[in-house]
Amino acid sequence: EVQLLESGGGLIQPGGSLRLSCAASGFPFSGYAMSWVRQAPGKGLEWVSGISYSGGSTYHADSVKGRFAISRDSSKNTLYLQMNSLRAEDTAVYYCAKEVGGDPHYGMDVWGQGTTVTVSS
Amino acid sequence: QSVLTQPPSMSAAPGQKVTISCSGSSSNIGSNFVSWYQQHPGAAPKVLIYDKNRRPSGIPDRFSGSKSGTSATLGITGLQAGDEADYYCGTWDGSLSAWVFGGGTKLTVL
Repeated sequence: EVQLLESGGGLIQPGGSLRLSCAASGFPFSGYAMSWVRQAPGKGLEWVSGISYSGGSTYHADSVKGRFAISRDSSKNTLYLQMNSLRAEDTAVYYCAKEVGGDPHYGMDVWGQGTTVTVSS
Repeated sequence: QSVLTQPPSMSAAPGQKVTISCSGSSSNIGSNFVSWYQQHPGAAPKVLIYDKNRRPSGIPDRFSGSKSGTSATLGITGLQAGDEADYYCGTWDGSLSAWVFGGGTKLTVL
């Protein structure tokens, strides 16, 4: 069974840092691009970051560019999102998603259950 | 303001057909595949349509996708109570080098 399990969320003060992890299983992790998508309370979906199957290409939304970094470790079948300089507007449920192809350009066919990040003093 | 435009809400009776529109531009819908996602309250999104209007296994053929120019449409036939959810379109935007979602459509089954 294909599964994605996020972890690392929590309550963090503005300006702080967090690293989210997404453990993947049930599919050849190194063969697919991956993405992070977030959803603020009561709001719609917002794509955050994407990474190619090899990790050689990364993409970030303008709202997080320069503050967030996506990476992957194929030896551990794990996707990461390093979040720095966190702001109140980064408060959201963060979902890890598997892409249907090797680049994050074609859609997401598997989603994790999400991990909640709350930025507040 | 989302790059892709969807109607905020729609409603229809059980058994009826509904079409949800998603409008974009040449840099996104006009040149890339569109995918559609369903999200029930408190749950993670689930893909309904992806790639060239493909449905994952387990998604009934009551759900279909189409695209014309810079607009895409999700069709749902034989509406059921369980179809009441939020629906999002999404695609890659080559100009932004970013994935973009529509603002979402809340579907109510009367």
